[in-house]
Amino acid sequence: AQSVTQLGSHVSVSEGALVLLRCNYSSSVPPYLFWYVQYPNQGLQLLLKYTSAATLVKGINGFEAEFKKSETSFHLTKPSAHMSDAAEYFCAVSYSVDKLVFGAGTILRVKS
Amino acid sequence: DVKVTQSSRYLVKRTGEKVFLECVQDMDHENMFWYRQDPGLGLRLIYFSYDVKMKEKGDIPEGYSVSREKKERFSLILESASTNQTSMYLCASSLFQGAEQFFGPGTRLTVL
Repeated sequence: AQSVTQLGSHVSVSEGALVLLRCNYSSSVPPYLFWYVQYPNQGLQLLLKYTSAATLVKGINGFEAEFKKSETSFHLTKPSAHMSDAAEYFCAVSYSVDKLVFGAGTILRVKS
Repeated sequence: DVKVTQSSRYLVKRTGEKVFLECVQDMDHENMFWYRQDPGLGLRLIYFSYDVKMKEKGDIPEGYSVSREKKERFSLILESASTNQTSMYLCASSLFQGAEQFFGPGTRLTVL
């Protein structure tokens, strides 16, 4: 079965530091990859998506992610964390008929 | 602005009650989805629908049913609520296969 693994259920960074949230997917290359963000008491919002047009994908709020086929990874990064980035982040892959498989999520904490 | 709305943000029900969760999208999307979100488990797909009156089971359909009588509305039904159905329920919609999913704000259901 297809799966998505997010390494680290909680990540803590200082304000201004690099943010790195890890995502690995299982086996064969999925057609689409996504990162979503969920702020407290809200639904999920799309940060960015990979659709095979380019391996480096830029999203909203300064986030970007790089698709690496050899590592089956799609890690999310941001050069400089801001307090407003504190949220839960979900990696997801789409395999068929628009179904998404989500990772367990990573809660990002930003320290001042 | 695209919008997915859910009928309630918070809901408290008793064991054995029949529960209806309503979701409406105003984007003329073909596909609609119901997920439940639990800490450490990410989002799990309950049911989805790719057309009016069509439905497909997701990964955890037991104890749930759905209804889609109109394109814009997708209802999740708990025939006899149980305490293990206490969770956050998220509705989403998308235009086509591989497209991003737009999420509603969620309904936090507590079954006592």
